[in-house]
Amino acid sequence: ELKVEQNPLFLSMQEGKNYTIYCNYSTTSDRLYWYRQDPGKSLESLFVLLSNGAVKQEGRLMASLDTKARLSTLHITAAVHDLSATYFCAVRGDMRFGAGTRLTVKP
Amino acid sequence: DVKVTQSSRYLVKRTGEKVFLECVQDMDHENMFWYRQDPGLGLRLIYFSYDVKMKEKGDIPEGYSVSREKKERFSLILESASTNQTSMYLCASSWDTYEQYFGPGTRLTVT
Repeated sequence: ELKVEQNPLFLSMQEGKNYTIYCNYSTTSDRLYWYRQDPGKSLESLFVLLSNGAVKQEGRLMASLDTKARLSTLHITAAVHDLSATYFCAVRGDMRFGAGTRLTVKP
Repeated sequence: DVKVTQSSRYLVKRTGEKVFLECVQDMDHENMFWYRQDPGLGLRLIYFSYDVKMKEKGDIPEGYSVSREKKERFSLILESASTNQTSMYLCASSWDTYEQYFGPGTRLTVT
């Protein structure tokens, strides 16, 4: 059974700092997804990583995929308050999700 | 823009009632999914469907059933609602293995 683990589950950051969210999964997969959820809202797609070594960047967020290590990272650069949200990774297969990382960026 | 709509944003039902949650997508997506979201547990897959009249169990199908009679519509049915089914229910659709598009969610309270 596919398991997807994210860490940390909670992350409180100062504005301007960098940090990384990790997503580990238990079985082979060549496709990984990152989503963002704002409080009271639904999920929206951030990145789709299609192959080993894939890297995608949008603004202050950069996602990467290492299929051999079964690991994806979401790196936050110079955090700003607008990035406060919950971030989920999900793995191709039957779209199993991690538990989510609740990110709070403080001034 | 892809649109996924759910029949209700908020719903309050009594224990033992039969509950229908409807989801409609307008982009001709093959795949549709039902999740429930609970604090600290993330999204858990209840059922999914890869085609009309096809359904597959997810991780927590007990107490739920689904129906997909038309490609654009995927219904989640709670046969006899219980208080432990109080949750946020999210519907999603996707084309092939591309990213999912989510509906706004239905917050169901069972009293």
